Amino acid sequence: ETGVTQSPTHLIKTRGQQVTLRCSSQSGHNTVSWYQQALGQGPQFIFQYYREEENGRGNFPPRFSGLQFPNYSSELNVNALELDDSALYLCASSFRGRREQYFGPGTRLTVT
Amino acid sequence: AQRVTQPEKLLSVFKGAPVELKCNYSYSGSPELFWYVQYSRQRLQLLLRHISRESIKGFTADLNKGETSFHLKKPFAQEEDSAMYYCALSGNNDMRFGAGTRLTVKP
Repeated sequence: ETGVTQSPTHLIKTRGQQVTLRCSSQSGHNTVSWYQQALGQGPQFIFQYYREEENGRGNFPPRFSGLQFPNYSSELNVNALELDDSALYLCASSFRGRREQYFGPGTRLTVT
Repeated sequence: AQRVTQPEKLLSVFKGAPVELKCNYSYSGSPELFWYVQYSRQRLQLLLRHISRESIKGFTADLNKGETSFHLKKPFAQEEDSAMYYCALSGNNDMRFGAGTRLTVKP
């Protein structure tokens, strides 16, 4: 069984730029959620995708957007990066109907 | 509002001592509660879920709807229990995490 993978591991961007983060779900899982984890805080829910559609969203502005593909992999896109977007971004997958989620190792984003 | 509160950021106990990590929640509905753990240099992983009422690595957690709590307990802490622990609440298509408690078990 393949676990959740994320790429890249870390990256550095400049304020105002755009970034795309990628996630491959655990095999057999059809739902993907994205989280932002700032230093010293718990993960904050960004949104969830099921059947290639956004299925739930946390308190994040529209410049945070996502995609889910037919193979259940997913992307998180962030436009017009701000310094406060610097964080660890976590992807988690689950099977629809079961609420426990399985996490990837995260992508560390630094905005300068 | 949906919220998870972990009042202790840091908790330190000696090996063999009992440990309790507190979690309180607010939610208008029937939530599912979880405990996740993150060991050093590892990814966040599921420890317990309230619906299964199981014991994992000696840890148990009981959902108390009256007190809206889901405290994590272990009668005899081990050094390998040292980690970051997060309480999480799953509502409608989302999951809310507490800020976490860093548990240190001293020899």
